[in-house]
Amino acid sequence: EAGVAQSPRYKIIEKRQSVAFWCNPISGHATLYWYQQILGQGPKLLIQFQNNGVVDDSQLPKDRFSAERLKGVDSTLKIQPAKLEDSAVYLCASSQIKGPVGGNTIYFGEGSWLTVV
Amino acid sequence: SQQGEEDPQALSIQEGENATMNCSYKTSINNLQWYRQNSGRGLVHLILIRSNEREKHSGRLRVTLDTSKKSSSLLITASRAADTASYFCATVLNMFSGGYNKLIFGAGTRLAVHP
Repeated sequence: EAGVAQSPRYKIIEKRQSVAFWCNPISGHATLYWYQQILGQGPKLLIQFQNNGVVDDSQLPKDRFSAERLKGVDSTLKIQPAKLEDSAVYLCASSQIKGPVGGNTIYFGEGSWLTVV
Repeated sequence: SQQGEEDPQALSIQEGENATMNCSYKTSINNLQWYRQNSGRGLVHLILIRSNEREKHSGRLRVTLDTSKKSSSLLITASRAADTASYFCATVLNMFSGGYNKLIFGAGTRLAVHP
């Protein structure tokens, strides 16, 4: 079974520039997550989709971050304009059904590493 | 703030020793999960323990859960150099009003196992 695919793996941009990350979840997984992980910290949930609808974006900085999930499959996360504090790893993950209840494991991609200079 | 907090933040041991990591959380949970993250990689699910369970085993891993103290521990027995990684606990919260479940991670314990 193919895993969660993310691209690009690494990106360096200047502050105030924009960047976009792409995620292709595991086939058939209804729930897709974007997490932000700053160096030395645990992942923080930015946004959670169920199919192509948003169920939680409470910690997404909506003035600069946006995300969409096209046709309930692939997803893109965009940052515009980027700030220095956005330097982090952006992890995409997916799971079956409605999320991490019971045996519904969340599968993570390798992450997209963003450095803002 | 994070739901789960791990203790210690960093742990350094010799191969063959046991490693114990603790996690505390704040609110009622559906279940608690432990994940591993190798340097520069994504997270990998290790084990899940439900709120009505007290202990669970998987290979060299042993997880306990004490819901009265809102705490969990992960024990890795007979550690190997390959166990070197960061370990995160994650709590599953039922968001009843929204009809979904949310996974919230702690800050992690960085484990170094020396040959």
